[in-house]
Amino acid sequence: KNEVEQSPQNLTAQEGEFITINCSYSVGISALHWLQQHPGGGIVSLFMLSSGKKKHGRLIATINIQEKHSSLHITASHPRDSAVYICAVVDQGAQKLVFGQGTRLTINP
Amino acid sequence: GAVVSQHPSRVICKSGTSVKIECRSLDFQATTMFWYRQFPKQSLMLMATSNEGSKATYEQGVEKDKFLINHASLTLSTLTVTSAHPEDSSFYICSAVRGTVTEAFFGQGTRLTVV
Repeated sequence: KNEVEQSPQNLTAQEGEFITINCSYSVGISALHWLQQHPGGGIVSLFMLSSGKKKHGRLIATINIQEKHSSLHITASHPRDSAVYICAVVDQGAQKLVFGQGTRLTINP
Repeated sequence: GAVVSQHPSRVICKSGTSVKIECRSLDFQATTMFWYRQFPKQSLMLMATSNEGSKATYEQGVEKDKFLINHASLTLSTLTVTSAHPEDSSFYICSAVRGTVTEAFFGQGTRLTVV
């Protein structure tokens, strides 16, 4: 079992839909990152969370440390949101990033 | 926000040649940089941890003589793929750490194709 599990692995939705991507982890962490990777490959850091909730534009990220779970939400989704979304946790003990397998999101017009 | 520049973004090289990839932190000092490799439709795999002024720490299964890492300054780390083979073709990404691993920033990645 991976230390960081994302669901779903693939998600296709229509423009305008509300999107939720989940991330569960099993290690002790000091922080969690949500990353976006477009088809060209470059990675953009969306959020870094250690507690609570953050919002940036149409994106919202939440984390529940007790339940070892985080969610990334996209409101009013748009085709340009199509990308792979990756959850990465900062392993408190190893001081390394541990990555989920990614969620491939496709938003159709 | 912190910026990490990785260069080149794409490179094609012939088998047997060496390729150098640079990772620079533009507006902060990075005592630690990580190098990752990503195969198609897979997540990032840590190759090595690079600390300024000391030898890199390689993950199990990564050949240190093939993937040479140099972290000569607080703003620059380089990955050199030596004697490249087609199976080295992949996407390589660096990450620079500002302070603790909690603050990790990513380069744009380098797509290496060995022909």
